Amino acid sequence: DARVTQTPRHKVTEMGQEVTMRCQPILGHNTVFWYRQTMMQGLELLAYFRNRAPLDDSGMPKDRFSAEMPDATLATLKIQPSEPRDSAVYFCASGLVYPTNEKLFFGSGTQLSVL
Amino acid sequence: AQKITQTQPGMFVQEKEAVTLDCTYDTSDQSYGLFWYKQPSSGEMIFLIYQGSYDEQNATEGRYSLNFQKARKSANLVISASQLGDSAMYFCAMREARVLRGSNYKLTFGKGTLLTVNP
Repeated sequence: DARVTQTPRHKVTEMGQEVTMRCQPILGHNTVFWYRQTMMQGLELLAYFRNRAPLDDSGMPKDRFSAEMPDATLATLKIQPSEPRDSAVYFCASGLVYPTNEKLFFGSGTQLSVL
Repeated sequence: AQKITQTQPGMFVQEKEAVTLDCTYDTSDQSYGLFWYKQPSSGEMIFLIYQGSYDEQNATEGRYSLNFQKARKSANLVISASQLGDSAMYFCAMREARVLRGSNYKLTFGKGTLLTVNP
């Protein structure tokens, strides 16, 4: 089965350090999303791309977060500098967007702990 | 105002019984989609079922069905014949706004319902 692959699965870092999370979407999918999940806020959309172009990153703190798709097989989410409040599970999801029945496939997530 | 409301933080059901997980939504769009995802303790998000706002029939996928009541803006998930493996967090989500060649695609999630299936 095709899967969305995220690395690393777990990351522990100290405040102020740079964190890079990677995602390999399913081959052929034209839309990639980054979500963040916390107990308090639930699942929040951070950014998404269609055909590698960023369409919406309004959910992302612009001063420290950046999201890119250098090519069709790689999406990255970077935090610099990281802060304890960034501790969360970060999910990447990809999909093939049509007018109906757009189903997203999620990766297993990156569990980030910022100390 | 919340776009997606799941009023049940936790639900318990006996194995082999049916259970309904509630979801109400708020949108002024005519075209939208409703989704349910399952998140087991391992953490991954698993797509379960989809209902389009113009679909006349309720969606079904195996033991999952979506009780779509458009006038009430509700999209409840019904799981028939519960199994121990159904114990998980369940999220309702909505895609609203017209999909203009994919430029306005967003999924908004509810807070989730934790389902526990008892043997």
